[in-house]
Amino acid sequence: QLHLQESGPGLAKPSETLSLTCSVSGDSVNSRNHYWTWIRQPPGKGLEWIASVYYTGSTYYSGSLQPRVTMSVESSKNQVSLKLTSVTAADTAVYYCARLGRRIATTGPIGNWFDSWGQGTLVTVSS
Amino acid sequence: EIVMTQSPATLSVSPGDRATLSCSARQSVGTNLAWYQQKPGQAPRLLIFGASKGATGIPARFSGSGSGTDFTLTISSLQSEDSAVYYCQQYENWPLTFGGGTKVEIK
Repeated sequence: QLHLQESGPGLAKPSETLSLTCSVSGDSVNSRNHYWTWIRQPPGKGLEWIASVYYTGSTYYSGSLQPRVTMSVESSKNQVSLKLTSVTAADTAVYYCARLGRRIATTGPIGNWFDSWGQGTLVTVSS
Repeated sequence: EIVMTQSPATLSVSPGDRATLSCSARQSVGTNLAWYQQKPGQAPRLLIFGASKGATGIPARFSGSGSGTDFTLTISSLQSEDSAVYYCQQYENWPLTFGGGTKVEIK
């Protein structure tokens, strides 16, 4: 059974770099059929897709966050990670790790639906 | 970016009644649309993919319909445990985008 477990600092200071890790069990981050994804949700608000990574290292980023975000795969640990630089209070959110199906569309590879989610980790940005 | 819009923002429905939630896309997404349910303090859960296909273990009272730009999630007979926020998500194109959500309350 697939289990995704997010971990993070809980509290970050403005201008710092936020580092999050998602540990995967019950599947391999080297799956050829899936992307691994970060999604966030500010308190009381909706869901925002941040980034997705394929086992080859190919990444897709939200346009608004792309200048500040990096996502990577650590195959030896069966983990994926997210780094978000220069955080502000607007980055305060629950950060979810999720598995995303992959298909080949006419325009190229793309994700499908999120079929499994971690429980999320709350990150508060405050001095 | 494909903008997804959900309506209404809040829906109050009596137990046993039908709940109808709407999701519209600014441009066609075909049937590349999913629905999720999120209860307070929990992660979202996949309900529907392919606009109308039920995910594993989802009760039959949940159904999806639509294609192109207009989609509907129907809860045929609302149960108390269906109180939640429901999100639609398109996967026609990167970036993947969600609607703003519809909160379903039990009247």
